[in-house]
Amino acid sequence: GQQVMQIPQYQHVQEGEDFTTYCNSSTTLSNIQWYKQRPGGHPVFLIQLVKSGEVKKQKRLTFQFGEAKKNSSLHITATQTTDVGTYFCAGPSGDSWGKFQFGAGTQVVVTP
Amino acid sequence: DAGVIQSPRHEVTEMGQEVTLRCKPISGHNSLFWYRQTMMRGLELLIYFNNNVPIDDSGMPEDRFSAKMPNASFSTLKIQPSEPRDSAVYFCASSSDRVGNQPQHFGDGTRLSIL
Repeated sequence: GQQVMQIPQYQHVQEGEDFTTYCNSSTTLSNIQWYKQRPGGHPVFLIQLVKSGEVKKQKRLTFQFGEAKKNSSLHITATQTTDVGTYFCAGPSGDSWGKFQFGAGTQVVVTP
Repeated sequence: DAGVIQSPRHEVTEMGQEVTLRCKPISGHNSLFWYRQTMMRGLELLIYFNNNVPIDDSGMPEDRFSAKMPNASFSTLKIQPSEPRDSAVYFCASSSDRVGNQPQHFGDGTRLSIL
């Protein structure tokens, strides 16, 4: 079955630095979504990418969907303490419509 | 607009007791998802419904778990009997699209502790 892998699992960042987290699927995805979960909170939808090679930006966050639609990345510039949390990617499983498989997430810790 | 509403927010009960978690999806959403989140296993999809019909329950860990959606505005996840290893945060989410092309909106979760 489809597997969605995320790396790294843990990211320790100095405030002001940039970092990137990666998401890889074993199968081609029709789309990919990114979510953010603050400590003690619930996952919150950030963005959806649909087209091959698509790039979308939200302020300091840049999301990219790979040309083969099997990988994606989230790049954060000038990290702030508000960026703390776990970032998940999720993609639709090909064997059951309406079902998303979430990656394990990248936990981000920001040091002031 | 009200988001996904889950109750209770916290539940502490003893092993062997029945536990019922409740969820009210966003009005107009036709897909509903139950997830379990633990440190060890991450975010696991347990079951999802479309138009109140269970579509895929392959994530339900065992027969002690059951879920129902009697109408478009209410769903329950029941554990009977509960065991300590069921301790986790249980999230309900809803979406406006059955094919996973729309965002999932999560509730605040139920933090379940089985003693």
